[in-house]
Amino acid sequence: DTGVSQNPRHKITKRGQNVTFRCDPISEHNRLYWYRQTLGQGPEFLTYFQNEAQLEKSRLLSDRFSAERPKGSFSTLEIQRTEQGDSAMYLCASSKLLPTANTGELFFGEGSRLTVL
Amino acid sequence: AQTVTQSQPEMSVQEAETVTLSCTYDTSENNYYLFWYKQPPSRQMILVIRQEAYKQQNATENRFSVNFQKAAKSFSLKISDSQLGDTAMYFCAFIASYGNKLVFGAGTILRVKS
Repeated sequence: DTGVSQNPRHKITKRGQNVTFRCDPISEHNRLYWYRQTLGQGPEFLTYFQNEAQLEKSRLLSDRFSAERPKGSFSTLEIQRTEQGDSAMYLCASSKLLPTANTGELFFGEGSRLTVL
Repeated sequence: AQTVTQSQPEMSVQEAETVTLSCTYDTSENNYYLFWYKQPPSRQMILVIRQEAYKQQNATENRFSVNFQKAAKSFSLKISDSQLGDTAMYFCAFIASYGNKLVFGAGTILRVKS
């Protein structure tokens, strides 16, 4: 079990450019989440996948954001035409959904920090 | 919708002393889970302690314990014998038993001083 891995750890880009982040979850976890965290704030939910299906998207996720999880393994989060307001830490987390109830424990990656100049 | 409120943006404690971090939440659900997560500077978030709402007994994990008051919708974290390594941002979080996502509070920065 190598934990949740995110790449790149830090991305600096100019306004208007596209960026893509990758998340590799813990292998047996069927749920994968993306959260956004700005300085001094708690993580805000963006979207989540159960296996390869994207089941919920937050209203925070504008049309410039798209996430995929092909084959239910790794996930990518793409931001098109970046804006300075997109500067944040993007956190990926995974969990294992149990048949009886959602215990809710998420395992987080170290995050991908985006700086838009 | 569920909300989680942490009213203490920052706290300080001397090494070896005890500190309590506050959290309140709002929900209409009866079955849910509450969590405290720790985020050290520049490191990933890790689970500190978890409480099931249907359990009356407060959860304990070594030096960490909670005071869960369901009627008051309060969930505080007590850290005993504070250590320098406890310095971190602490987040309170909520999920309904059949919910789909964790809802986090804004966090409390805890600084342990030597």
